[in-house]
Amino acid sequence: SQELEQSPQSLIVQEGKNLTINCTSSKTLYGLYWYKQKYGEGLIFLMMLQKGGEEKSHEKITAKLDEKKQQSSLHITASQPSHAGIYLCGAREGGGGSQGNLIFGKGTKLSVKP
Amino acid sequence: NAGVTQTPKFQVLKTGQSMTLQCAQDMNHEYMSWYRQDPGMGLRLIHYSVGAGITDQGEVPNGYNVSRSTTEDFPLRLLSAAPSQTSVYFCASRANRDSSLAEAFFGQGTRLTVV
Repeated sequence: SQELEQSPQSLIVQEGKNLTINCTSSKTLYGLYWYKQKYGEGLIFLMMLQKGGEEKSHEKITAKLDEKKQQSSLHITASQPSHAGIYLCGAREGGGGSQGNLIFGKGTKLSVKP
Repeated sequence: NAGVTQTPKFQVLKTGQSMTLQCAQDMNHEYMSWYRQDPGMGLRLIHYSVGAGITDQGEVPNGYNVSRSTTEDFPLRLLSAAPSQTSVYFCASRANRDSSLAEAFFGQGTRLTVV
């Protein structure tokens, strides 16, 4: 079965600093999703990447997809306390009967110190 | 447009009790799914449905039943709760399973404790 590995597991940064979270798939990626979760709340969709080399931005968050490496990175520029939370990457599972179901990484917990 | 609605938000059960977690979506999505989220384990798929009348097992289906009698509703049943089922449960829906363009919408989660 396909697995998504996120790194780092947790991250503490000073407000204003940049940071990067990585998500690596064990198999070919068919669409990569990034979500953010705050404690006690559901998952908020950030962005979706489909094609190798694709890059998308939303406010100060940029995500890229490297199809060859089966990897995506999420970059936050000039972090703010509002960026704190758990970031999850998700992907459509490919192949076999489970094709199309979304699987997720274990998440990266981000804390931003004021 | 309410999106995906889960009830209840919190629940405490005794071992052996049964209960149903409700999930409803108003987006006319074909695909609905249930995940559980545990510390260090991420989100794991319990059951999913690709349309009314069709359900299938995910990664961790044991101890849970589902049904899909309407497009809108996808309840998750715990027939005999066990402490190992203490978790946060999320319901999600997508327009359909196979579209790579389909964003998944999540409910707010149900925090379940089994004592």
